[in-house]
Amino acid sequence: GESVGLHLPTLSVQEGDNSIINCAYSNSASDYFIWYKQESGKGPQFIIDIRSNMDKRQGQRVTVLLNKTVKHLSLQIAATQPGDSAVYFCAENYSGSARQLTFGSGTQLTVLP
Amino acid sequence: KAGVTQTPRYLIKTRGQQVTLSCSPISGHRSVSWYQQTPGQGLQFLFEYFSETQRNKGNFPGRFSGRQFSNSRSEMNVSTLELGDSALYLCASSLVGTGYSTTEAFFGQGTRLTVV
Repeated sequence: GESVGLHLPTLSVQEGDNSIINCAYSNSASDYFIWYKQESGKGPQFIIDIRSNMDKRQGQRVTVLLNKTVKHLSLQIAATQPGDSAVYFCAENYSGSARQLTFGSGTQLTVLP
Repeated sequence: KAGVTQTPRYLIKTRGQQVTLSCSPISGHRSVSWYQQTPGQGLQFLFEYFSETQRNKGNFPGRFSGRQFSNSRSEMNVSTLELGDSALYLCASSLVGTGYSTTEAFFGQGTRLTVV
């Protein structure tokens, strides 16, 4: 099957700066995307989602951008904090495939003091 | 509202044994999916259950099986364990609306299985 991949395996940012985590997906039929945060020893935590009929969605300190033309997804975190340090995964879903999520390989975000 | 609960949190088994993992979804959620997470393969979909029926299955051998009960709780079973089955097994629950519209999946803490 097709997969979702992340551009960078690691990302380091200064505390207070904005972070941008990128993701490329290959299944043009995917119509739902989710970003998850996973801290060590824990399960993935839902951050934000976006459907394919939107190109931007904002949450608290986070924004997800979807560019269907180039099949690209990004997660922007404003004013990054030490608690944001974690592995971030993007996941895609095609509504015709029930609840099967295809995950990217993950990006390790490290927030520097 | 309680989150997704997985038991046990940690498990050590010997090669050749079998293991059963349990997942209780968020109250009201009827869809339960299972994923395997390893450093080498990342997060991979195992199967998904809805209303006690398996709706979708990932690319895993038949040693991996599951079921769902009428209260939406789910179990997965791995028989004849191999060293490569060592992984974090994650369960996710979703609220499925009319027409099976896609909704967010919430994960449990996972069960860390070590096969020795």
